[in-house]
Amino acid sequence: AQSVAQPEDQVNVAEGNPLTVKCTYSVSGNPYLFWYVQYPNRGLQFLLKYITGDNLVKGSYGFEAEFNKSQTSFHLKKPSALVSDSALYFCAVRDMDFNKFYFGSGTKLNVKP
Amino acid sequence: ETGVTQTPRHLVMGMTNKKSLKCEQHLGHNAMYWYKQSAKKPLELMFVYSLEERVENNSVPSRFSPECPNSSHLFLHLHTLQPEDSALYLCASSQVLLAADNEQFFGPGTRLTVL
Repeated sequence: AQSVAQPEDQVNVAEGNPLTVKCTYSVSGNPYLFWYVQYPNRGLQFLLKYITGDNLVKGSYGFEAEFNKSQTSFHLKKPSALVSDSALYFCAVRDMDFNKFYFGSGTKLNVKP
Repeated sequence: ETGVTQTPRHLVMGMTNKKSLKCEQHLGHNAMYWYKQSAKKPLELMFVYSLEERVENNSVPSRFSPECPNSSHLFLHLHTLQPEDSALYLCASSQVLLAADNEQFFGPGTRLTVL
């Protein structure tokens, strides 16, 4: 069955340090992978996606994500965290059944000054 | 902003009430979606519309009734809801449905509380 797992409910990091938010997936066929961010009282905003090609994908606000097929992972990363990055982050996957989107349960990122 | 608006932003209703949530997208997209977001749970895809036709209904109870009168508007009609239906309801759109690499654009959501 298709699914997405975000193993951490919360990630805490100091401002200026690198951050990683983890995501693993299970899907039949080639995955289409997405990261979204949700700020308080707002809807989800698209950050980046992996469709094909280079395993390292760059997105908005300095975020990037690395697709690892052997580990079925798509971790979100940023070299230097900002306090303003504090938000809820969702990983999502879509497969060739175009009607289906699968979201993780979200990871709350706390960046402390 | 994302180009997707939702009204109302907050709604409190009793279990016997009937209300409707509205979503409007100004992006010229052809696909629209309703999601339910509950705390610490994955987003639940409820309904999918493509070119005003419903193409997916993920075993949603009949007390939720969607309507898509045109490609820019999507409604979710609510009646005889239960307290466990309290959640954030998100609307989203994408350019086309039959393109797996299309990202979705989300509205800010309607925070629903059922008493």
